[in-house]
Amino acid sequence: EVQLVESGGGLVQPGRSLRLSCAASGFTFDDYAMHWVRQAPGKGLEWVSGISWNSGRIGYADSVKGRFTISRDNTKNFLYLQMNSLRAEDTALYFCTKDDYYDSSGYYSVWGQGTLVTVSS
Amino acid sequence: DIVMTQTPLSLSVTPGQPASISCKSSQSLLHSNGKTYLYWYLQKPGQSPQLLIYEVSGRFSGVPDRFSGSGSGTDFTLKISRVEAEDVGVYYCMQGLHLPTTFGQGTKVEIK
Repeated sequence: EVQLVESGGGLVQPGRSLRLSCAASGFTFDDYAMHWVRQAPGKGLEWVSGISWNSGRIGYADSVKGRFTISRDNTKNFLYLQMNSLRAEDTALYFCTKDDYYDSSGYYSVWGQGTLVTVSS
Repeated sequence: DIVMTQTPLSLSVTPGQPASISCKSSQSLLHSNGKTYLYWYLQKPGQSPQLLIYEVSGRFSGVPDRFSGSGSGTDFTLKISRVEAEDVGVYYCMQGLHLPTTFGQGTKVEIK
């Protein structure tokens, strides 16, 4: 069964850091691009960051550029999101998604259940 | 960034009746490879989003044939031929042509 399981969310103070993880199983992880998409409480979907199959192409939303870093470990089948200098507006449910191509296409065929990040003092 | 604009933002539909959602992009989503990178996702209450339609009109695996997508360039439509109770949720269009990937605001569909 193809599965994505996020972890690492929690309550964190403004200005602090958090690292999200996404464990992938049931498919050949290093064949596909991966993404993080978030959803603030009661709001719509916002793409956060994406990484190609070999980490050769990486992109970020303007709202997180310079603060967040996406990475992947193809030997362990894990996707990560290092989040620094967190702000209240980063509060959201963070989803890990699998692209169906080696590079970013928008074809997100599998989604995790999400991990909640709350930034508050 | 490519801006995606959906209309309407909410829809109340009688079961068995059709429904239609429009999505317009601020620039063409047609790639030089001939593909158009427009997708439709549905987020049911309390669930993660799920892919419905890929590349304008391709129905994703397991998606009922009452769902159909159409359009080209910058104008796209998602149609549900006969709405069922299980179709409630928020529908999003999304473009994958250029990073950053961008979503429409979402259209909330409810049953009358």
